[in-house]
Amino acid sequence: GNSVTQMEGPVTLSEEAFLTINCTYTATGYPSLFWYVQYPGEGLQLLLKATKADDKGSNKGFEATYRKETTSFHLEKGSVQVSDSAVYFCALSDQGGSEKLVFGKGTKLTVNP
Amino acid sequence: GAGVSQSPRYKVAKRGQDVALRCDPISGHVSLFWYQQALGQGPEFLTYFQNEAQLDKSGLPSDRFFAERPEGSVSTLKIQRTQQEDSAVYLCASSSHDREGGRSPLHFGNGTRLTVT
Repeated sequence: GNSVTQMEGPVTLSEEAFLTINCTYTATGYPSLFWYVQYPGEGLQLLLKATKADDKGSNKGFEATYRKETTSFHLEKGSVQVSDSAVYFCALSDQGGSEKLVFGKGTKLTVNP
Repeated sequence: GAGVSQSPRYKVAKRGQDVALRCDPISGHVSLFWYQQALGQGPEFLTYFQNEAQLDKSGLPSDRFFAERPEGSVSTLKIQRTQQEDSAVYLCASSSHDREGGRSPLHFGNGTRLTVT
């Protein structure tokens, strides 16, 4: 079945450091790929998405590129801020009728000033 | 409100009790999903509604779990004879369809944290 594997956390960085959170997937067909973020005390929010190979999703300084050849969708940000502290989830959409999401386990990021 | 609303925010149940969790999706959203998120894990799909029709319930872990959306708006997830392994955060999400028939991004509620003692 479809699955998502993402980098184990937690990740702790200093402000302005470079961030990479690795995500790889296993899927049949051509799923869409997503990064969701959960800030403390809040619900899951869509951060960015890509719907086909070589697409780059970007938002709030974060980027991820859909790499079909390596089945990856790594999340990157050049300079993190304290306000980026959150849990990040990689996900793919099942190409069945409901397009339900399959999530990774999440990676907790803490950014220190 | 403008977002997906879930109630109660927290629920403590004794093993064997029945519970009902409510989800108010964003007005007009056709699609509604329920997910279960265990501690330290990502959300796992439970069931999907399109309007009042439950089109996919493949993720419901047992026949103790039942979901309904009778008027195509509010949805209720019911868990009968709760067990300790049911302890988790239950998330509801909704989305609409755009003019081309694609789905808008999912909007998640803050979830109901269920603790079974």
